[in-house]
Amino acid sequence: QVQLVQSGAEVKKHGASVKVSCKASGYTYTSFGITWVRQAPGQGLEWMGWINTYNLRTNYAQKVQGRVTLTTDSSTNTAFMELRNLRSDDTAVYYCARSRVTCIMSSCFGTDDDYWGQGTLVTVSS
Amino acid sequence: EIVLTQSPDTLSLSPGERATLSCRASQSVNSRYLAWYQQKPGQAPRLLIYGASSRATGIPDKFSGSGSGTDFTLTISRLEPEDFAVYYCQQYGSSSTFGQGTKVEIK
Repeated sequence: QVQLVQSGAEVKKHGASVKVSCKASGYTYTSFGITWVRQAPGQGLEWMGWINTYNLRTNYAQKVQGRVTLTTDSSTNTAFMELRNLRSDDTAVYYCARSRVTCIMSSCFGTDDDYWGQGTLVTVSS
Repeated sequence: EIVLTQSPDTLSLSPGERATLSCRASQSVNSRYLAWYQQKPGQAPRLLIYGASSRATGIPDKFSGSGSGTDFTLTISRLEPEDFAVYYCQQYGSSSTFGQGTKVEIK
């Protein structure tokens, strides 16, 4: 069965970096992309970005572009989200999700996020 | 960036009633790239509808989606206790966005 298992909760200082992992199993890893979504306490969902696990291309949300890097290791079927220069409003639960790869002309992106990880709470303290 | 506005923010209904949730986009969205999710407290979101009207695997037919262009709707035909949750619409693209969510609560 398809599973995405994320790394454990993190507490970081203001200005530090965090790297969250997402280990996939139960499907052909490079046939799907991985999307990252976060949710601040009591708030809605915020799309952060997507990585094509086959060709490593990425799309990032403008709000976090420049501070976030998505990577993937197909030898271990694991995706990573690194967020740098953390601030208090980065405190959130971070989710990874399996995404279908959809391409229009030469532009590809993730769609239909059908399996999700359990979430990783990242707390940024001052 | 495409902004999705969901209405209402909160929907208070009784079990057995019909729920109609709206998602309006700031510009036209290809209906193939519009999805709906359900989220319960402490859980990850669950994909309900993709392509505006296709049910995801294992989703019961009490959930249905419709719409095109800038206006999309999620309908839950007869609410059951497990359907009280928050629902989000999402549009996909090189920059994806979510609506702010609609909470369906027990009246």
